[in-house]
Amino acid sequence: GDSVTQMEGPVTLSEEAFLTINCTYTATGYPSLFWYVQYPGEGLQLLLKATKADDKGSNKGFEATYRKETTSFHLEKGSVQVSDSAVYFCALRPSNFGNEKLTFGTGTRLTIIP
Amino acid sequence: EPEVTQTPSHQVTQMGQEVILRCVPISNHLYFYWYRQILGQKVEFLVSFYNNEISEKSEIFDDQFSVERPDGSNFTLKIRSTKLEDSAMYFCASSSGQGAWETQYFGPGTRLLVL
Repeated sequence: GDSVTQMEGPVTLSEEAFLTINCTYTATGYPSLFWYVQYPGEGLQLLLKATKADDKGSNKGFEATYRKETTSFHLEKGSVQVSDSAVYFCALRPSNFGNEKLTFGTGTRLTIIP
Repeated sequence: EPEVTQTPSHQVTQMGQEVILRCVPISNHLYFYWYRQILGQKVEFLVSFYNNEISEKSEIFDDQFSVERPDGSNFTLKIRSTKLEDSAMYFCASSSGQGAWETQYFGPGTRLLVL
């Protein structure tokens, strides 16, 4: 079945460092890919998404490119801030039907120190 | 901005007891979901619900689990006889439609501890 493998955490970086959180997936067909973020005490919030190969999702300085050839959707940010400290989840949806279930990775806890 | 809400935020119960977790989805949404995350593990899909019926359920969602939309606003998950392994964070989510660009919006979760 479908699966998502995410970089193990926790990840600790200094402010203004470059961030990469790796995500690879296994799926049949043409999944849509998502990054969700969970700030302390809050729910999962959509950070960015891509619905087809070579699409780049971006939001709040974060980017991820849907790479079908490497089945990857790595999250990057050029200069992280303390406020980016959160847990990041990579997820896939099996197709372009918006009501289908999401399959998540384990989450990566990111801590940014000043 | 509209949001999904969940109550309670924390629930402690004894093994074998029934629990009901409550969710208020975003008001114009039509599709509803429950997911759970056992500590240190992946967020797992439990069930999806549309038009007052279960659309899809996972292997986890056995006869001990049920969902209901008792009125126009609430969406509940009931566990009839809780087990130790039901201890987890339970997330409710909702979405408005089937389009490719649709997004599931999640609540803050209910942390359930079964003793």
